[in-house]
Amino acid sequence: DAKTTQPPSMDCAEGRAANLPCNHSTISGNEYVYWYRQIHSQGPQYIIHGLKNNETNEMASLIITEDRKSSTLILPHATLRDTAVYYCIVRANKANQAGTALIFGKGTTLSVSS
Amino acid sequence: GAGVSQSPRYKVAKRGQDVALRCDPISGHVSLFWYQQALGQGPEFLTYFQNEAQLDKSGLPSDRFFAERPEGSVSTLKIQRTQQEDSAVYLCASSLDSISYEQYFGPGTRLTVT
Repeated sequence: DAKTTQPPSMDCAEGRAANLPCNHSTISGNEYVYWYRQIHSQGPQYIIHGLKNNETNEMASLIITEDRKSSTLILPHATLRDTAVYYCIVRANKANQAGTALIFGKGTTLSVSS
Repeated sequence: GAGVSQSPRYKVAKRGQDVALRCDPISGHVSLFWYQQALGQGPEFLTYFQNEAQLDKSGLPSDRFFAERPEGSVSTLKIQRTQQEDSAVYLCASSLDSISYEQYFGPGTRLTVT
């Protein structure tokens, strides 16, 4: 799977939008962009994923550039409970094949403060 | 409904002891993954099951690591003759099938080898 590059840390004020960038310049045409987060002492939690169109759900929005070489996860109104490590992962969806594991990097530690 | 559960949550082992870590996936989930997470790092893939079949064990770091899922539900990760470098959080994740975009993670088992 392609590698991703994320800033190691970011700060955000409570109530403001948190914009987390991710570079994935070697992404292949069949690879999706996934975002997970990991709150301290918990397992990772799925947030959102997309292929090339922008996506939105109840947790966040995902903006993927037209060339698909980078993306941004947006938490529109960050709260203290959004403090976590955020992982950007690229992964192909392969039916009935091994290797569908998630390849995590070090992620971005987002600190939300009041 | 119940999520993925893991037991024990914490395990302290003396070097050379054998340990067994249990994962109870979400009922009906076909795919099960084990990951290892060292302090300050993202999770790293260990092994993958589709039902009872272990389709990928390429991430197991040595032959001291063994995983099984005999009836296609509960899985056990066994580590023989533990070493200090085995100290980590061991995460289990399940997904509905092999291409589902969402993997549901358990809280992990923190293993400390002294």
